[in-house]
Amino acid sequence: GAVVSQHPSRVICKSGTSVKIECRSLDFQATTMFWYRQFPKQSLMLMATSNEGSKATYEQGVEKDKFLINHASLTLSTLTVTSAHPEDSSFYICSARDPRVREGTYNEQFFGPGTRLTVL
Amino acid sequence: DAKTTQPTSMDCAEGRAANLPCNHSTISGNEYVYWYRQIHSQGPQYIIHGLKNNETNEMASLIITEDRKSSTLILPHATLRDTAVYYCIAGNQAGTALIFGKGTTLSVSS
Repeated sequence: GAVVSQHPSRVICKSGTSVKIECRSLDFQATTMFWYRQFPKQSLMLMATSNEGSKATYEQGVEKDKFLINHASLTLSTLTVTSAHPEDSSFYICSARDPRVREGTYNEQFFGPGTRLTVL
Repeated sequence: DAKTTQPTSMDCAEGRAANLPCNHSTISGNEYVYWYRQIHSQGPQYIIHGLKNNETNEMASLIITEDRKSSTLILPHATLRDTAVYYCIAGNQAGTALIFGKGTTLSVSS
């Protein structure tokens, strides 16, 4: 299957700093990527949909000015957590759909390994 | 996307079949059933999907009832490495995000 990578896998930062997380599709081009957040012992929560060449679409309750998403190329989407605070500590996961699948058919997606963010 | 209901947790002995149920009684005719699993501190892994017919691949089998209101994921010979949270998702068209419920925590023990 298609491979999605994330970098870094783990990051620790001080409160008030900004952190950038990269999501790359390694062997395919992804016009759409998705960003999720997962708190301990909880399920994945969709944060936003990242579209190549256009603005991201954020889910209700997600601050777009705090979680900046840039999808500048067909293989890279970045999530920047600005002015991070301890409550932003979480597991951030990206995904991309299989581009070989036609629109309107099934929706297999491939997920990155996740980035563990700890804000002190 | 249709809402899904899964048991919170299940146990299985190593080597035995693990049968994970999922209820999706409000699923619409063109919504697929997807199964993913997440091993601790990793990204979700695709397992299998189906629309109407039963499906089988190298990882698992998916049995969908005739009325499509429920399905069962079968891991034929569970191993310790199958211990994970299993998510059943009833969703629609390619290009949209997958929405995860709480899933079933499967514990495989020796």
